Amino acid sequence: AQSVAQPEDQVNVAEGNPLTVKCTYSVSGNPYLFWYVQYPNRGLQFLLKYITGDNLVKGSYGFEAEFNKSQTSFHLKKPSALVSDSALYFCAVRSTLGNAGKSTFGDGTTLTVKP
Amino acid sequence: DTAVSQTPKYLVTQMGNDKSIKCEQNLGHDTMYWYKQDSKKFLKIMFSYNNKELIINETVPNRFSPKSPDKAHLNLHINSLELGDSAVYFCASSQEANTGELFFGEGSRLTVL
Repeated sequence: AQSVAQPEDQVNVAEGNPLTVKCTYSVSGNPYLFWYVQYPNRGLQFLLKYITGDNLVKGSYGFEAEFNKSQTSFHLKKPSALVSDSALYFCAVRSTLGNAGKSTFGDGTTLTVKP
Repeated sequence: DTAVSQTPKYLVTQMGNDKSIKCEQNLGHDTMYWYKQDSKKFLKIMFSYNNKELIINETVPNRFSPKSPDKAHLNLHINSLELGDSAVYFCASSQEANTGELFFGEGSRLTVL
């Protein structure tokens, strides 16, 4: 079975400060890892993914994430937060083994950036 | 030009009724999905089709039946609606089932009274 943990329900940061949204995963085989963002009353939007190669992945809107195999983590980061980054963030995992296409999502982390 | 479109956006109905939600994608993707997001915002996969073939069928009551007439469309029919079916249902598609990111529709909010 595969699972994702986002240990923080809520992350609060001041505008201009760096932000981190945490994600750890459990999966058989190697992971494919994804981050999505959801604004109120909207569908999820893709931010970035790790499939293979460089552990540091850069994505949309200045976000990046680092794949750490030993810690089974894929934390989302941004050097300088904007008020407009305030939203609900989801980490998701797929396995390279079986269950083709099955993404398991974390419970989400609400990011609030204050001016 | 909307990539993944779902209709209707809002659906309010009585218990016991049958309803359908339609989804279309114009991205040329081979794989389509239905996800359910509950009131706590938790997301769970329900079904996935690849080129009209069912490849994922999670533990979902058989009152829920997906239908894929072609690879650009994936509809969801729900029989005998129950209060617990109230949720937001998201359609999504991906270019490739394993490594492709998901493109989501805007969601269909179902309220069962």
